[in-house]
Amino acid sequence: GENVEQHPSTLSVQEGDSAVIKCTYSDSASNYFPWYKQELGKGPQLIIDIRSNVGEKKDQRIAVTLNKTAKHFSLHITETQPEDSAVYFCAASMYSSASKIIFGSGTRLSIRP
Amino acid sequence: EPEVTQTPSHQVTQMGQEVILRCVPISNHLYFYWYRQILGQKVEFLVSFYNNEISEKSEIFDDQFSVERPDGSNFTLKIRSTKLEDSAMYFCAREGQKGDEQYFGPGTRLTVT
Repeated sequence: GENVEQHPSTLSVQEGDSAVIKCTYSDSASNYFPWYKQELGKGPQLIIDIRSNVGEKKDQRIAVTLNKTAKHFSLHITETQPEDSAVYFCAASMYSSASKIIFGSGTRLSIRP
Repeated sequence: EPEVTQTPSHQVTQMGQEVILRCVPISNHLYFYWYRQILGQKVEFLVSFYNNEISEKSEIFDDQFSVERPDGSNFTLKIRSTKLEDSAMYFCAREGQKGDEQYFGPGTRLTVT
């Protein structure tokens, strides 16, 4: 089955700097890659996703890239702000309804003031 | 505002007891999912549910677990005889408009003593 590896496990960046989180996946059949942000005591919140027919997607300060050949995908947050501090999870799934999402192990992002 | 609501927010039970966790969709959806997250770990898929039937289940979802939608609205996860290792956050999720996105509820914290 699918396996998603995520690194780093913790990341501390200065406010205003960029943060990058990287993931790899194992199943070439996966074609949907969501990213979730989880704040303390809350459920995972979908912040951006990318499908295998595109290589990059951007939404304001957040961008994701996908390299299907290498089975790599990454999350980039620019101009980080204190409210970006949270645990971020990458995930992979096959494009269909009722498909399970396989999560990475998470990255705890801390923004230093 | 959460995409789905979950009750209770926190459940404490003794080992061997039955628990029922509930998920109430805000609007009418057909696909539902249950995931769990043991403290500090990744989010793990349990089961997907469509049209009153299980679509897929993981190895975690053994005979102690069951799901149903008894009144056509609430979506429940039942654990028949809880074990200490069942202590975790349990998240309900529903599908998005494009079919492959999943939006998570705020979760139920289950503590088994």
